[in-house]
Amino acid sequence: ETGVTQSPTHLIKTRGQQVTLRCSSQSGHNTVSWYQQALGQGPQFIFQYYREEENGRGNFPPRFSGLQFPNYSSELNVNALELDDSALYLCASSLLAKTSGRGGTDTQYFGPGTRLTVL
Amino acid sequence: AQSVTQLDSHVSVSEGTPVLLRCNYSSSYSPSLFWYVQHPNKGLQLLLKYTSAATLVKGINGFEAEFKKSETSFHLTKPSAHMSDAAEYFCVVSEYLKTIFGAGTRLFVKA
Repeated sequence: ETGVTQSPTHLIKTRGQQVTLRCSSQSGHNTVSWYQQALGQGPQFIFQYYREEENGRGNFPPRFSGLQFPNYSSELNVNALELDDSALYLCASSLLAKTSGRGGTDTQYFGPGTRLTVL
Repeated sequence: AQSVTQLDSHVSVSEGTPVLLRCNYSSSYSPSLFWYVQHPNKGLQLLLKYTSAATLVKGINGFEAEFKKSETSFHLTKPSAHMSDAAEYFCVVSEYLKTIFGAGTRLFVKA
């Protein structure tokens, strides 16, 4: 168990609706990253939040947005849902130490995911 | 630019035989490299992590990986497979602000 929790575990929505997924970070971590994992594929990086600000983004449209709260928990919001948004959404928390370089990051600990189905 | 290539989508071994899951990467900087395992209907679990300390990294459950900069590889090995090792394995490269997962390798373990 990583200490990262996500809610809900499963969700069914229809095309065009909006959805909010939630993530509670592991204690002591200041960074949350969100991933989309389509069936049979590896997770795709959506974005990362560090100290309540977006701190990096993958190749996802603006209708994917997020928030990070002072307690470092996070939300992922998806507007105007499309059928292709059906996937497992994973959040990961980590302790990011900002450096002047572009070296690697600390280990990310993943939650169990939220399975979103868009009909 | 970062990229990760897992060279085998499926690997099948017999219980008690060695496991080799291959991963090549590219990165503009000095990345961190990880292997994660995902069992069916379970979250991702960290197996091991490379961060430029030792090139041979030991992880949990008897897995280890060797970082070879000249070959840009980070292959995962285990001397003797167990039935419980059957799962999906992901090689991951991470630079500041961005993390890339490989497509995954499904490991099958035959009795």
